[in-house]
Amino acid sequence: EAGVVQSPRYKIIEKKQPVAFWCNPISGHNTLYWYLQNLGQGPELLIRYENEEAVDDSQLPKDRFSAERLKGVDSTLKIQPAELGDSAVYLCASSEGGDTQYFGPGTRLTVL
Amino acid sequence: AQRVTQPEKLLSVFKGAPVELKCNYSYSGSPELFWYVQYSRQRLQLLLRHISRESIKGFTADLNKGETSFHLKKPFAQEEDSAMYYCALSAGGGGNKLTFGTGTQLKVEL
Repeated sequence: EAGVVQSPRYKIIEKKQPVAFWCNPISGHNTLYWYLQNLGQGPELLIRYENEEAVDDSQLPKDRFSAERLKGVDSTLKIQPAELGDSAVYLCASSEGGDTQYFGPGTRLTVL
Repeated sequence: AQRVTQPEKLLSVFKGAPVELKCNYSYSGSPELFWYVQYSRQRLQLLLRHISRESIKGFTADLNKGETSFHLKKPFAQEEDSAMYYCALSAGGGGNKLTFGTGTQLKVEL
């Protein structure tokens, strides 16, 4: 079992550029989460999907962030345009029926 | 609103000494509490959850609703316990988000 897969692992971009992160959850997991982890902080939820429906996106900055999970499996999180303050680790997690959340390795974003 | 507080950023103990990582929470309902651990260069993983009442890798944690605490304890620290530990709270109900504390770095010295 590969676990939750995220790509890329690292990304360095200049401010105002767009960036996208991809996540493939554990097979059969219907719930998918995107978390943001700033340096020295714990992860904070950005958005939660139940299958293809976003059921909690209250913490997603919708002016620049967007996410999709079109077929209820893998998901993409996008930032456009990126700002310096977006530098962080973006974590994806999945769970089956609301049980234990399994985390991916994260994508470390650096905005210059 | 739910909140998790881990007052210690760093805890350093000697091998064989007892360990207690503190976690306090704020939530008006009945929460589910978790401890997650992140070893060096590895992903965040679940260590234990209060409803399981299990002991994992020698660690235990008891939910104290009166003190709103969920401290993580181990009687004898091992070098391989060195890691980042996060306390987290879920408001309950299937699939709810986790609210994390800021984490405590545990360093076990020889």
